[in-house]
Amino acid sequence: AQSVTQLGSHVSVSEGALVLLRCNYSSSVPPYLFWYVQYPNQGLQLLLKYTSAATLVKGINGFEAEFKKSETSFHLTKPSAHMSDAAEYFCAVSEASGGYNKLIFGAGTRLAVHP
Amino acid sequence: EPEVTQTPSHQVTQMGQEVILRCVPISNHLYFYWYRQILGQKVEFLVSFYNNEISEKSEIFDDQFSVERPDGSNFTLKIRSTKLEDSAMYFCASSGRDGENTDTQYFGPGTRLTVL
Repeated sequence: AQSVTQLGSHVSVSEGALVLLRCNYSSSVPPYLFWYVQYPNQGLQLLLKYTSAATLVKGINGFEAEFKKSETSFHLTKPSAHMSDAAEYFCAVSEASGGYNKLIFGAGTRLAVHP
Repeated sequence: EPEVTQTPSHQVTQMGQEVILRCVPISNHLYFYWYRQILGQKVEFLVSFYNNEISEKSEIFDDQFSVERPDGSNFTLKIRSTKLEDSAMYFCASSGRDGENTDTQYFGPGTRLTVL
């Protein structure tokens, strides 16, 4: 069975500081990994995804994540936080295969950015 | 850019009543999903739907739940007799346009269901 653990339900950073949101996964099959962002009163927007190509994945809004198989991690980073990055971030895993694949989500990390 | 839409944005109902949550997936997508998020908890998979039938369902998706694609564009989730614990945000998602990868699911804005 697949699972996702996001360390830290709340993360607070200063504007301009490094953002690091942690995600560890468990999967018995090769995984696809995703980061979604949810702004207040909005749906889930895909930030980036890993689908067995390059292990360093770049996404929208300056975010990137690195797939580390040995550590079963897929942490999300951004070099310099912006006030507009304040949102909830969800890591998710699915099986790497064609067709339908349910997403298994982590509990989410709420990012606060203060001036 | 194409997007998934959901209606209504907020539904309030009495316990025991039937509700239908509606979704319009991205045009030409092949796979459809419902997820829910109870306040303060994880987003949970409910059901996936492909080729006019359920592909997979979770333990949550019991006999009170059903899905349908009635007209080739809408994708609905019906809860026959709502319970208090059905109160949650329900997200619809779709993936897999013809000739494209199926790995990315695009989510709608959600319907907040409140059962009183």
